[in-house]
Amino acid sequence: TQLLEQSPQFLSIQEGENLTVYCNSSSVFSSLQWYRQEPGEGPVLLVTVVTGGEVKKLKRLTFQFGDARKDSSLHITAAQPGDTGLYLCAGGLASGYALNFGKGTSLLVTP
Amino acid sequence: DTAVSQTPKYLVTQMGNDKSIKCEQNLGHDTMYWYKQDSKKFLKIMFSYNNKELIINETVPNRFSPKSPDKAHLNLHINSLELGDSAVYFCASSQDGLAGGQETQYFGPGTRLLVL
Repeated sequence: TQLLEQSPQFLSIQEGENLTVYCNSSSVFSSLQWYRQEPGEGPVLLVTVVTGGEVKKLKRLTFQFGDARKDSSLHITAAQPGDTGLYLCAGGLASGYALNFGKGTSLLVTP
Repeated sequence: DTAVSQTPKYLVTQMGNDKSIKCEQNLGHDTMYWYKQDSKKFLKIMFSYNNKELIINETVPNRFSPKSPDKAHLNLHINSLELGDSAVYFCASSQDGLAGGQETQYFGPGTRLLVL
């Protein structure tokens, strides 16, 4: 069962543009994590959000957890080629030990 | 200093063979995981061990058998390999393996398995 839907699946933009990636579900999560995966490597954690409505910033990246803890968004301001990669959201259920991953958003930022 | 390491990085083998992938973490974590990432990049949990004890066993064919000799190692043995087993397999670890998914998971570099 796919708990988390990510959109868009692919995104190709030019350096300097802004973008938003969405992660949606009908399930309530106790936490939501965002990972970035570069080609040939494993995912690396960017952020964890745990409170409904929570907003966290990591340089040009802004993460938000929905009020109902069912969705999240990742906004990148002034994208750079170094932001290129696969962005994965992953939700943790209160009763579960496993992370439930979305299918990812492949981002390509061209100079 | 590599935190989570996997061997081999690439594995090409024939259908029907048996193969193993090894994973080691030097972070002192109590919990380790195996994930499968398919060709569409979907990452799905397979198994999780906490202090050598199995705590997650998703719907995975019983041809896949994890083994944890100690809490720093979690190996994956696959019997009678099939074409559909071709994927990237990631090992990961986290501090305690608490429910709720709030812990950081540290991933290895992946093992690219190709079954011919």
